[in-house]
Amino acid sequence: AQKVTQAQTEISVVEKEDVTLDCVYETRDTTYYLFWYKQPPSGELVFLIRRNSFDEQNEISGRYSWNFQKSTSSFNFTITASQVVDSAVYFCALRRTPNYQLIWGAGTKLIIKP
Amino acid sequence: DAGVIQSPRHEVTEMGQEVTLRCKPISGHDYLFWYRQTMMRGLELLIYFNNNVPIDDSGMPEDRFSAKMPNASFSTLKIQPSEPRDSAVYFCASSRGENQPQHFGDGTRLSIL
Repeated sequence: AQKVTQAQTEISVVEKEDVTLDCVYETRDTTYYLFWYKQPPSGELVFLIRRNSFDEQNEISGRYSWNFQKSTSSFNFTITASQVVDSAVYFCALRRTPNYQLIWGAGTKLIIKP
Repeated sequence: DAGVIQSPRHEVTEMGQEVTLRCKPISGHDYLFWYRQTMMRGLELLIYFNNNVPIDDSGMPEDRFSAKMPNASFSTLKIQPSEPRDSAVYFCASSRGENQPQHFGDGTRLSIL
């Protein structure tokens, strides 16, 4: 079975705090892709990052960083020095093979208080 | 570059009416996806196309739903007849190749009264 679990339904922090969003996935495929998307209050879905199963290097993009660990089937997302504009629902997704569907987590609602 | 364009942004109609949602993918993208998002069920893939051909429509809830892609730059999702339980946000997304990220439109917020 293919599954993505985002156990944190909602997280609330004060601005400038660091926050980590958890994503745990299940798949039997050896080749797969993982994604993070952001959905701000305005409703659009914004692509953040794609990671393939052969690349376990962590990635940093500004205040955003991602920690991919195959040993624990996790692909966690950390925002450093959070800002109010980071408030959104964040989705983790797994691209299944062979029909290329995305398996979505339920999303984590992140609230950054000023 | 223009992103995925969906229309209308909002649609309110009465039960039983036909609803047509439209999508223009990003130029050069060969995959197009239709999703539905509700609070209860989250994001659900309805159907996707590759090179204008429907590949998997197993997510289409019932025969009242149909989707077409007559050319590489246009797709429609039609609901006929519409029901209140079809109320949701419908997203269109496109990607260049199967391994590339999907880029989403702004969505159509559909309300069936």
